[in-house]
Amino acid sequence: QKEVEQNSGPLSVPEGAIASLNCTYSDRGSQSFFWYRQYSGKSPELIMFIYSNGDKEDGRFTAQLNKASQYVSLLIRDSQPSDSATYLCAVTQSGGSYIPTFGRGTSLIVHP
Amino acid sequence: DAGVIQSPRHEVTEMGQEVTLRCKPISGHDYLFWYRQTMMRGLELLIYFNNNVPIDDSGMPEDRFSAKMPNASFSTLKIQPSEPRDSAVYFCASSWTENTEAFFGQGTRLTVV
Repeated sequence: QKEVEQNSGPLSVPEGAIASLNCTYSDRGSQSFFWYRQYSGKSPELIMFIYSNGDKEDGRFTAQLNKASQYVSLLIRDSQPSDSATYLCAVTQSGGSYIPTFGRGTSLIVHP
Repeated sequence: DAGVIQSPRHEVTEMGQEVTLRCKPISGHDYLFWYRQTMMRGLELLIYFNNNVPIDDSGMPEDRFSAKMPNASFSTLKIQPSEPRDSAVYFCASSWTENTEAFFGQGTRLTVV
């Protein structure tokens, strides 16, 4: 079983700070990486995806991928209380099926 | 499109009863996924379909679980007989390809007492 690991948290940051969420994966052949946000009692929704090494920015969100070290991270700048949610990392597997495997998620709390 | 539609939203049933969860994927999506989410195990893939054909059911916990997709717009996940340890939130999701964004339904919260 190929693993996707996340610190469960909770990660607590003050409003306006940068929140940094990390994810490591075991399959060196993984090609696609996703970050989903899940509010309590709701379904996951995609916020970012990244395929290439380096940074990808979208508004207040930046995804960072380092395939050599097998980690992907999500930075949230100017964190808002509305960002409080669980963030799920999903990584596609190599070897035939490219279905993403989800990590267990990191709970983020942004306090005013 | 209204998104992925699941029913029922909540289901409470007694141990031993049959439970059927339903899903309508987004029109045009070729892939349909069934997931189960619990605090202990996170989001687990149970089974997925490509063009209505089951591709990988290795995540189905045991023979009590079965899934069908009789056409492109409908899928069911059945548990027979249900057990308390099946209590979880079950999500259906669909996507255009296997490694693009998955759109999730609102989930079915199943409680087996």
